[in-house]
Amino acid sequence: EIVMTQSPASLSVSPGESATLSCRASQSVSTNLAWYQHKPGQAPRLLIYTASTRATGIPARFSGSGSGTEFTLTISSLQSEDFAVYYCQQYQNWPPITFGQGTRLEIK
Amino acid sequence: QVQLVQSGAEVKKPGSSVKVSCQTSGGSFRNYAISWLRQAPGQGLEWMGGIMPVFGTSHYAQKFQGRVKMTADESTSTAYMELSSLRSEDTAVYFCARDLIEYCSAGSCYVLQHWGQGTQITVSS
Repeated sequence: EIVMTQSPASLSVSPGESATLSCRASQSVSTNLAWYQHKPGQAPRLLIYTASTRATGIPARFSGSGSGTEFTLTISSLQSEDFAVYYCQQYQNWPPITFGQGTRLEIK
Repeated sequence: QVQLVQSGAEVKKPGSSVKVSCQTSGGSFRNYAISWLRQAPGQGLEWMGGIMPVFGTSHYAQKFQGRVKMTADESTSTAYMELSSLRSEDTAVYFCARDLIEYCSAGSCYVLQHWGQGTQITVSS
């Protein structure tokens, strides 16, 4: 099973600033990596797949990069609705698909 | 547009079983994999397994092997997840999710585009 590790566990950022979230895989997942946004009481929302492709309707301020074992999600010009928990997920090797433990993005 | 509507919250006794439904609308039901995931209180997302109606196959996480069964009814575009031998640690919100890619193949399956609203399952004596 591929283990996904996200850092930091939590991040405090002011609105209008940028946030950089990291995700590391225990072995190469090529670019088979997705990012999700999850708010309390809601279903998760797909943001990025194939490491860098934005899903339909996702604003351009969300960008993903990386390949192999190291990945980054960057959110520029943070808006109030962006404060949530973010998960990376690999779909290179399954079962199972695996998620990182999440990064909580908080308002500073 | 695509919608996934799950069945309602349930309270179950330890040792019993629960069956959660996920009715889909919009798009072809059989051509997309459906995954089941859960989130326990204070925890992250955990994938339990997935079913691919078009291929008639299902894949389960080893942790749930022998305790979970996923089925799909094409006539009603509904997916089901049944979890047996429930214990308190199974208390969680359970989600269904539909794949992004139609007719997925290795390397493209299990990108989760559309999600159900979640179903709270509480296991308590």
